[in-house]
Amino acid sequence: GESVGLHLPTLSVQEGDNSIINCAYSNSASDYFIWYKQESGKGPQFIIDIRSNMDKRQGQRVTVLLNKTVKHLSLQIAATQPGDSAVYFCAESGDNYGQNFVFGPGTRLSVLP
Amino acid sequence: ETGVTQSPTHLIKTRGQQVTLRCSSQSGHNTVSWYQQALGQGPQFIFQYYREEENGRGNFPPRFSGLQFPNYSSELNVNALELDDSALYLCASSSRAERGAQYFGPGTRLLVL
Repeated sequence: GESVGLHLPTLSVQEGDNSIINCAYSNSASDYFIWYKQESGKGPQFIIDIRSNMDKRQGQRVTVLLNKTVKHLSLQIAATQPGDSAVYFCAESGDNYGQNFVFGPGTRLSVLP
Repeated sequence: ETGVTQSPTHLIKTRGQQVTLRCSSQSGHNTVSWYQQALGQGPQFIFQYYREEENGRGNFPPRFSGLQFPNYSSELNVNALELDDSALYLCASSSRAERGAQYFGPGTRLLVL
């Protein structure tokens, strides 16, 4: 069945370093992916998305890479800041109209001073 | 902050009771999706509403039902509450035409005793 998983449940990085959060997906029909950030007590916040016709997409301090061959995507955060501390989820969708997003279990990012 | 609002923020019920959660979608969005997020896990898709009709459903029993109103706001109803229904219930709005990202509200924390 569909599943989205993460390689690392927790990640600790020094402030100012770059962070890389990984995600594996198993549904080869998935064609749309989103990274969300969730802070304690809040709903998931959209960070960046990518469609399957792209390999890379950049935002402000964030980059998402998609490798369809091995069904893997990653989120890179440049110059990680204390405010980046949160749980990060990747979500995939394979339906034509995005009815169903499948979320992974999440990676907790801790930024050390 | 997204324009998605949810009420109430917290709720305590006892087993067997019924609950109604409410969501107002972001301006310009016509689709509402509901997710259940257990502690320490990623959100799980419950169902989606578009044009006041259910448009996709996850692996949840029929005692989970919903409504969408002409102004695109939505309700999630859960009958015969069970202890395992304790979770954060998230509402996300999106634009079906764009088939884009879903933007989440802050969630309703439900505790079933």
